[in-house]
Amino acid sequence: DAKTTQPNSMESNEEEPVHLPCNHSTISGTDYIHWYRQLPSQGPEYVIHGLTSNVNNRMASLAIAEDRKSSTLILHRATLRDAAVYYCILNNDMRFGAGTRLTVKP
Amino acid sequence: SAVISQKPSRDICQRGTSLTIQCQVDSQVTMMFWYRQQPGQSLTLIATANQGSEATYESGFVIDKFPISRPNLTFSTLTVSNMSPEDSSIYLCSVLDRYDGYTFGSGTRLTVV
Repeated sequence: DAKTTQPNSMESNEEEPVHLPCNHSTISGTDYIHWYRQLPSQGPEYVIHGLTSNVNNRMASLAIAEDRKSSTLILHRATLRDAAVYYCILNNDMRFGAGTRLTVKP
Repeated sequence: SAVISQKPSRDICQRGTSLTIQCQVDSQVTMMFWYRQQPGQSLTLIATANQGSEATYESGFVIDKFPISRPNLTFSTLTVSNMSPEDSSIYLCSVLDRYDGYTFGSGTRLTVV
């Protein structure tokens, strides 16, 4: 079984921020937290990853809890093209959970 | 980031036959992963393939059904053997990219009739 749990679905309005949570309570000290998203009929696409500190890139931000047992992917301004299934996984495990299906409403 | 070429992109096969899926990477990678994704479902890890050693299979997947080859650091194949309709799925390979996490192939959509 996957070592991460996420809500099955979330909704957002276009141009609003989206916070996608992930729990990974059994994370080990060497696990990196990875986020991927999968658009319809495509393979998963890398979004961001981090170990302890918060991370920012052109796609998103990753906020990691101080105890590392949870993290949040932040899309600062959701667009319709961000509608996808978002997966949080640990790099030493590589098993996917069900992910969060994000719906973006215009 | 690494670029993966996965072939075929789709196929329709008769039950009882076998299909070999190829993944070619444009850079040398140590570990490759094979996944299955059934319609509307998440990805399920089939096996991890390291060059020069036997693949490590996840629970529920066996080498006789899903033999994997890893002849060098840029190439791997997954064979789906003695296929049945339950094997209809999307099969994906993945590699660890040095800087950008894991990169996935575009997938092979398999239909068994």
